[in-house]
Amino acid sequence: QVQLVQSGAEVKQPGASVQVSCKASGYTFTNYYIHWVRQAPGQGLEWVGMINPSGGSTSYPEKFQGRVALTRDTSTGTVYLELTRLRSEDTAIYFCARVKWGSSAYDFWGQGTLVTVSS
Amino acid sequence: DIVMTQSPDSLAVSLGERATINCKSSQSILYSSNNKNFLAWYQQKPGQPPKLLIYWASARESGVPDRFSGSGSGTDFTLTISSLQAEDVAVYYCHQYSASPPTFGQGTRLEIK
Repeated sequence: QVQLVQSGAEVKQPGASVQVSCKASGYTFTNYYIHWVRQAPGQGLEWVGMINPSGGSTSYPEKFQGRVALTRDTSTGTVYLELTRLRSEDTAIYFCARVKWGSSAYDFWGQGTLVTVSS
Repeated sequence: DIVMTQSPDSLAVSLGERATINCKSSQSILYSSNNKNFLAWYQQKPGQPPKLLIYWASARESGVPDRFSGSGSGTDFTLTISSLQAEDVAVYYCHQYSASPPTFGQGTRLEIK
């Protein structure tokens, strides 16, 4: 069965960097785009970026340009999110999500990783 | 960016009654080449990731009960739960994937009256 399993919670100081992983299983990793979405405490959903696991191409929203990077390891079926120069407003649950074939909706999601930025 | 606005922000409905949630996009998300609306609906329960209910505005995801239905086109969309069950208590989000960046509505909290 399709699964996306994310790494555990992180606590970071302002200005630091964080890396969150998302390990895919149960399907052909390179056939489906992966997106990242975050959710601040008690808030809605915000797109963080996407990666094509086949060629590694990426896309990010303007507000994160220069601070976010998505990479992938095709040998392990894992996607990595790195967010640098962390600020308190980056405190959120970060989700990875697979794009449904033939659509651009998200059909499978990781369990979420809480990133807390606090001094 | 395309702004997605849901209404109402919260909704209380009696068990067995109909629940209706609306979503309006700031520009059309109908893709003329395939006549499909690039809109999805998700259900999120506390402590869980969102769950896909509807895509292409009206296509029900596999395994989703048929009491959930989506409708609308262009800029105005609706998620309908025909007969509310206790397990439907959740926050519901609409999501457009017509243009980058993908954007979400602010969410509608659905409760039992």
